[in-house]
Amino acid sequence: ETGVTQTPRHLVMGMTNKKSLKCEQHLGHNAMYWYKQSAKKPLELMFVYNFKEQTENNSVPSRFSPECPNSSHLFLHLHTLQPEDSALYLCASSQGPSGTPDTQYFGPGTRLTVL
Amino acid sequence: RKEVEQDPGPFNVPEGATVAFNCTYSNSASQSFFWYRQDCRKEPKLLMSVYSSGNEDGRFTAQLNRASQYISLLIRDSKLSDSATYLCVTDTGRRALTFGSGTRLQVQP
Repeated sequence: ETGVTQTPRHLVMGMTNKKSLKCEQHLGHNAMYWYKQSAKKPLELMFVYNFKEQTENNSVPSRFSPECPNSSHLFLHLHTLQPEDSALYLCASSQGPSGTPDTQYFGPGTRLTVL
Repeated sequence: RKEVEQDPGPFNVPEGATVAFNCTYSNSASQSFFWYRQDCRKEPKLLMSVYSSGNEDGRFTAQLNRASQYISLLIRDSKLSDSATYLCVTDTGRRALTFGSGTRLQVQP
């Protein structure tokens, strides 16, 4: 399935590095999301974009910086991360926005390890 | 209190068994409810939406009880391929979704 793609699939970085995660959706959706999934914890919503505009920032530290140049692409720029930021970062998209939440389709995720 | 609570399991059941998962949610303003499935080291995928009247999709039946803020998923005639983590999902009242931690199911031969 190639509806939502993410690169890289795996990333190891030091605390002083700067890296970016990329997400692309091929579904014609208007809403895109970043989630963090840590071991034994529920998915945590980080950011929501609707029609390229950020509509939700779930109190995410500024070392995570999202960018949405168009409705099909979403980036997460990372800098000076901490080891506790190691997790699976999932991108999702949905038709949105609409009156009620619609189905979200997830990418395969980027497994990030911060050393 | 967690917004969405699930029994983490694991539920170990033999092939052919019927298994039920429950979930409670705290936000009375939630309007939409879903069950997602997540295989090990894979992304979550929508299993089914949950409607007020209850709905069935093959071997899977979902029920919603708004008064008790309770959602259930019933799987009949379990298959080995049903082994996964099942995520209970509701909306936050602001169009975003809230995920439970998931219930792990292991179907054994």
